[in-house]
Amino acid sequence: DTGVSQNPRHKITKRGQNVTFRCDPISEHNRLYWYRQTLGQGPEFLTYFQNEAQLEKSRLLSDRFSAERPKGSFSTLEIQRTEQGDSAMYLCASSSPRTGRGSFDYGYTFGSGTRLTVV
Amino acid sequence: GIQVEQSPPDLILQEGANSTLRCNFSDSVNNLQWFHQNPWGQLINLFYIPSGTKQNGRLSATTVATERYSLLYISSSQTTDSGVYFCAVYNDYKLSFGAGTTVTVRA
Repeated sequence: DTGVSQNPRHKITKRGQNVTFRCDPISEHNRLYWYRQTLGQGPEFLTYFQNEAQLEKSRLLSDRFSAERPKGSFSTLEIQRTEQGDSAMYLCASSSPRTGRGSFDYGYTFGSGTRLTVV
Repeated sequence: GIQVEQSPPDLILQEGANSTLRCNFSDSVNNLQWFHQNPWGQLINLFYIPSGTKQNGRLSATTVATERYSLLYISSSQTTDSGVYFCAVYNDYKLSFGAGTTVTVRA
């Protein structure tokens, strides 16, 4: 397993265009997360999937944002009608839940991110 | 939400020096993780440390959950240690990150 993979690494788009990013998590991880990081800040939570179910969306995720995880495998994050304020690094992560007391907890593993620039 | 504060915000080290980074958090947490973000943006797991002390080579971390802080120690720093170090606390499954400590190690 090569870890969490994200594509593309960089995306430059014109304001108003739609963009889609892809994330392939670690295969045995059933939890998948999207975070957004702006310059000089730590990442901020956007949304969370357990298997194919999207269980939480941050209020940061406006109506122009949609995320899917068909069949509980890879995930896509789409931004419609991009705005300059959407320029950021979009990070995907995956994890496994606790499997019981005393079990090893894996924690998060992040992908390399997709850097979006809206011009 | 849980507030996470990291200090110092910036740290400049001469190669070979030791340093301590601190992370304070505002409420009880289930768990805590330290990351290193390299210049290419990759967040690398350093430690998953709910409590106690762990060591990995020149790096070690201590979390005192009852006092709501964690420390990351870098010993004999190298230029490859440069980057931003983030502390992140778990609120159930979500991570809340601090603003990071930017470390610059000079040869």
